[in-house]
Amino acid sequence: DIQMTQSPSSLSASVGDRVTITCQASQDISNYLNWYQLKPGKAPKLLIYDVSNLETGVPSRFSGSGSGTDFTFTINSLQREDIASYYCQQYNDLPYSFGQGTKLEIQ
Amino acid sequence: QVTLRESGPALVKATQTLTLTCSLSGVSLSTSGMCVSWIRQPPGKALEWLARIDWDDDKYYSTSLKTRLTISKDTSKNQVVLTMTNMDPVDTATYYCAVMTTVINGWFDPWGQGTLVTVSS
Repeated sequence: DIQMTQSPSSLSASVGDRVTITCQASQDISNYLNWYQLKPGKAPKLLIYDVSNLETGVPSRFSGSGSGTDFTFTINSLQREDIASYYCQQYNDLPYSFGQGTKLEIQ
Repeated sequence: QVTLRESGPALVKATQTLTLTCSLSGVSLSTSGMCVSWIRQPPGKALEWLARIDWDDDKYYSTSLKTRLTISKDTSKNQVVLTMTNMDPVDTATYYCAVMTTVINGWFDPWGQGTLVTVSS
């Protein structure tokens, strides 16, 4: 099974900051990497698919990059509504797997 | 618009079998390429993928849980059912169902709001 190592597990930043989360796969997953946003009491939301493709309606301050085993998720100019947890997910192989998550807080 | 709704017991006892239902609207389970997965999140912990069923009835399971899981679908009701046997307090989690609209595109979109299942000892 492919293991996804995500860091940091938690992050505190200020409105307007640039925030970066990393995700490392235990083997090459090409570009089969997605990012989700989770807020309490809400359905999880797909933000980015295939490393860098923004889902329709997702603000352009969200972006992703990487390939192979190392991936990055960035929020440019953090907004209060971005308070959430974020997860990477690989689909190169079944079983699918997620990173451990990053809980984002506003300072 | 595709929507999903999970339903099932909020509380189960240890050793019991959990049965959860995912009801879909806005899309048919028999649509070629359609896949539905179950994913869970224990309180304060990470997401964990559990199982997937495809439009053609192919099924896939988590390596660590496959002996306890069964996924099935009722196309006439447009529902996917997950059963998990021998429940334990560590299985306490919010359980989500989510759609992959094609087997090639492996992202989950949309998801249901989830249903919290608590396992008592």
